[in-house]
Amino acid sequence: DADVTQTPRNRITKTGKRIMLECSQTKGHDRMYWYRQDPGLGLRLIYYSFDVKDINKGEISDGYSVSRQAQAKFSLSLESAIPNQTALYFCATSDAGTPSSYNEQFFGPGTRLTVL
Amino acid sequence: AQSVTQLDSHVSVSEGTPVLLRCNYSSSYSPSLFWYVQHPNKGLQLLLKYTSAATLVKGINGFEAEFKKSETSFHLTKPSAHMSDAAEYFCVVSPMNTGFQKLVFGTGTRLLVSP
Repeated sequence: DADVTQTPRNRITKTGKRIMLECSQTKGHDRMYWYRQDPGLGLRLIYYSFDVKDINKGEISDGYSVSRQAQAKFSLSLESAIPNQTALYFCATSDAGTPSSYNEQFFGPGTRLTVL
Repeated sequence: AQSVTQLDSHVSVSEGTPVLLRCNYSSSYSPSLFWYVQHPNKGLQLLLKYTSAATLVKGINGFEAEFKKSETSFHLTKPSAHMSDAAEYFCVVSPMNTGFQKLVFGTGTRLLVSP
């Protein structure tokens, strides 16, 4: 079974609609992240969370919000979707517990979102 | 500040020939460096990572990378390409000595492998 899962895997929506992307993990990691991937731009960080009560903006948080419902769940919302939010979205986790795992992140399979 | 430059957006090789994917980095702190691979319609998978233990790092599927501080490079190599290596590869840098594990991604190199 996958350690980091994302739902839905694909979504097509219209401009102005509210969308929620969900991420769950069974790795027991404290830290979770949301990224978006655009062709030719690599991955960019949207939000990150060190634990349930600690949520931080990344480099491109405008137009997005997040919720950390539990250690294992981290949701990304687009309150009013716009076409330039069309992208591939990745959730990731990491463990801050040991030096050998320091900085390594584990990624989910991605959600492909299209906003018409 | 950290940044990564992947010098080639596309690399084409024939099956059985060597692979070289180039990466240069800039970091204000001693860096951790990673290579991730993304196969079509899949998430990112860690190939290998450098965290100062050894400058030559061996990863999965026969890939390896050498950290060269004097050249600020972390190029990815494989002696003999396989068709299954066709994918997109990302070089990633992160400062090692901070509590926040911010990853800075390169723009990716697409590896094409022909029969």
